Amino acid sequence: SAVISQKPSRDICQRGTSLTIQCQVDSQVTMMFWYRQQPGQSLTLIATANQGSEATYESGFVIDKFPISRPNLTFSTLTVSNLSPEDSSIYLCSVGDRVANYEQYFGPGTRLTVT
Amino acid sequence: KNQVEQSPQSLIILEGKNCTLQCNYTVSPFSNLRWYKQDTGRGPVSLTIMTFSENTKSNGRYTATLDADTKQSSLHITASQLSDSASYICVVSQGGTGFQKLVFGTGTRLLVSP
Repeated sequence: SAVISQKPSRDICQRGTSLTIQCQVDSQVTMMFWYRQQPGQSLTLIATANQGSEATYESGFVIDKFPISRPNLTFSTLTVSNLSPEDSSIYLCSVGDRVANYEQYFGPGTRLTVT
Repeated sequence: KNQVEQSPQSLIILEGKNCTLQCNYTVSPFSNLRWYKQDTGRGPVSLTIMTFSENTKSNGRYTATLDADTKQSSLHITASQLSDSASYICVVSQGGTGFQKLVFGTGTRLLVSP
């Protein structure tokens, strides 16, 4: 299985600022995804990070608010822009492995608190 | 609407006891059903994956069942341990081949007390 690390593990940010979250995988993977988990809620897919091209966003999520980069097959970043208290959530990176029968593995998450 | 509902929302059991968590889904088309364990402050970890043709799958003390006709699944935990305290999330994959869209339940929060 893929080993996924995220930085930072947690952060407290002021309203109006931005936070960039890094996701690093220990092997090349086909797919990388970004999820949000609001307090007491299930996971919601924000976008699929595509290597070398623009991310594919789910309904309700836009590039201006959640810009994503994926420069290679092992690394991606998610930025949460113009923060408001409603953005306080856990943000999780997930990778998909076609070789492992399309299994998805999740990173440890980044806990963001906006004050 | 594609939904995954889990019950109970939370559960407290004594160490060593068994418990069963329930999952009902309305996702269509169905590809597979997964159970994940999520420890506090950690990402979800896969416990089992079942396709349409499988009706039971075990992973150690965890046994998942699937009834594709009634669109119900259960996760049975045997001889619970303190380390089983976590959220258990039922996830249904929607669609055909390749990477499908995952529909997540809100989870059951299990607390195993000594």
